[in-house]
Amino acid sequence: QKEVEQNSGPLSVPEGAIASLNCTYSDRGSQSFFWYRQYSGKSPELIMSIYSNGDKEDGRFTAQLNKASQYVSLLIRDSQPSDSATYLCAVNIFHGGSEKLVFGKGMKLTVNP
Amino acid sequence: DAGVIQSPRHEVTEMGQEVTLRCKPISGHNSLFWYRQTMMRGLELLIYFNNNVPIDDSGMPEDRFSAKMPNASFSTLKIQPSEPRDSAVYFCASTFGDSSYSNQPQHFGDGTRLSIL
Repeated sequence: QKEVEQNSGPLSVPEGAIASLNCTYSDRGSQSFFWYRQYSGKSPELIMSIYSNGDKEDGRFTAQLNKASQYVSLLIRDSQPSDSATYLCAVNIFHGGSEKLVFGKGMKLTVNP
Repeated sequence: DAGVIQSPRHEVTEMGQEVTLRCKPISGHNSLFWYRQTMMRGLELLIYFNNNVPIDDSGMPEDRFSAKMPNASFSTLKIQPSEPRDSAVYFCASTFGDSSYSNQPQHFGDGTRLSIL
């Protein structure tokens, strides 16, 4: 199993719909979870962080974490064309005595007007 | 506030040449990360420093790659000799933490798009 997995996508939703992005991870000891957004040709930018089970809401974005099932998701409500980007899930993974942040390959989201 | 600053933004060079990428982290951040991003492999961590000390370089692909952080405000990633398969976007990121790894979010620079012909 890969350390951090995201559905390969791409995902296409109409404007105003809810976009749901999912991510699973392999390390049960992981404590920190992040969602980054990356526009084409740009650098990743942090949009959400979550550290405990449950939901965390920030405007139109909601991150959901379930440590028992080892998945983290991102919901985008009232999707806008400006949300069209690649979304990267990142999880801290313990590796041979040290830990590092491991990124999924990303899910490309297109919001159609 | 100035973000993470990388240079150059673009680099095109011929196979076999030495390539040096530069990074200035956000002032006050004590952890610095070098990543490589390709379509095939996604975003991969190459090496990270904490308080200017290399902590984990297990992601460095081979001896042709080396990284240094001589002080808190500057780091370099060097490839010598360069090969076409090194073509990628290289990102530098920084954050603040009081241990060898921080659970604080990382802030990325704009990246260096490297093409090796």
